[in-house]
Amino acid sequence: EAQVTQNPRYLITVTGKKLTVTCSQNMNHEYMSWYRQDPGLGLRQIYYSMNVEVTDKGDVPEGYKVSRKEKRNFPLILESPSPNQTSLYFCASTTGGHNEQFFGPGTRLTVL
Amino acid sequence: GDSVTQMEGPVTLSEEAFLTINCTYTATGYPSLFWYVQYPGEGLQLLLKATKADDKGSNKGFEATYRKETTSFHLEKGSVQVSDSAVYFCALRRGSTLGRLYFGRGTQLTVWP
Repeated sequence: EAQVTQNPRYLITVTGKKLTVTCSQNMNHEYMSWYRQDPGLGLRQIYYSMNVEVTDKGDVPEGYKVSRKEKRNFPLILESPSPNQTSLYFCASTTGGHNEQFFGPGTRLTVL
Repeated sequence: GDSVTQMEGPVTLSEEAFLTINCTYTATGYPSLFWYVQYPGEGLQLLLKATKADDKGSNKGFEATYRKETTSFHLEKGSVQVSDSAVYFCALRRGSTLGRLYFGRGTQLTVWP
């Protein structure tokens, strides 16, 4: 089954404790992205990747890092989480062009 | 820069009512336009898309027409059902920035029986 998976689905952590949210897709897509969803703000892109070892900032990259060492994986790293990073995070992938993005189920992160 | 503006919610309708959710965009060139739907507790799913001016996207009774002259992509459905209750997002992508998708803020739709 074609899908984007994210782990964990829920995470509660404390300020400053490094964490990684994993994302994996099994569709051989070139493009992958991370978004955060906040009430009243919709979805905002954090980072995106056009292929292995090629990444670029989206609209809200501060406080986040990403890497793309393999085509299928695109982890999101929070080196020192802060409460303003409490949000719902989505990973997505696409082949590009006019094709749709496929979204993962989301990771709800709470930073205390 | 590129942006999408969509109608503020929430929208509350009775079953079988007509639905319109407005969406306008700002972009250079000829973007592709999308409507995504998010059901409670789930990720986003593509509802429909249009890739050039005057294209009409349609799916599950929903329709939207790509109007370049008014830079709009309004979502419509003739008769909504309770199961259509969800958050709807309008989005655009330009061909030159394939990795970037710009979303509107989302419109919460609630349909009552």
